[in-house]
Amino acid sequence: AQRVTQPEKLLSVFKGAPVELKCNYSYSGSPELFWYVQYSRQRLQLLLRHISRESIKGFTADLNKGETSFHLKKPFAQEEDSAMYYCALTPYGGYQKVTFGTGTKLQVIP
Amino acid sequence: EAQVTQNPRYLITVTGKKLTVTCSQNMNHEYMSWYRQDPGLGLRQIYYSMNVEVTDKGDVPEGYKVSRKEKRNFPLILESPSPNQTSLYFCAIVGTGHTYEQYFGPGTRLTVT
Repeated sequence: AQRVTQPEKLLSVFKGAPVELKCNYSYSGSPELFWYVQYSRQRLQLLLRHISRESIKGFTADLNKGETSFHLKKPFAQEEDSAMYYCALTPYGGYQKVTFGTGTKLQVIP
Repeated sequence: EAQVTQNPRYLITVTGKKLTVTCSQNMNHEYMSWYRQDPGLGLRQIYYSMNVEVTDKGDVPEGYKVSRKEKRNFPLILESPSPNQTSLYFCAIVGTGHTYEQYFGPGTRLTVT
């Protein structure tokens, strides 16, 4: 079975402060991991995926297989980062079952 | 660019009255999926399809049916809706290029009274 855990329902930070959204996963095989973002009243959109190792909107995430984590980080939060963030897992190779975490609401305080 | 459309966008119905939510894509993507989004529970996959006539259960398939008779359409069927199926439903496709990025539809808000 595959599982994704996002322990924080709400994370409030001040503008300019560092952000870390936690994601832990459980899966016996090799996972593909993603972060999706949902801005207010918009559909979900991909933020980044671990296989590309890219930085989008200043966010990065590193897959730590030893700790089975894929935490999302940004050094300086901006007000426009306020949104719901979801971590997601699918087995390596994609095109299979996808499991999302319960999401973390990021609130950036001006 | 991949586009996903859902209809209807809003639906209020009564317990037991069969309904179908349609999902269509404008590209020839093979993978399509349905999710429900509930407060505090995030997104949960209902069913997914890897190609025509190939469907499989997600985490919460009970009370739902799907069909994939053609590549562009993947309807979600509730044969006998119940109030616990009141939710926001999203259809998604996976783009090409082995990035496995999902593109989501605009959502369908369903209320079952």
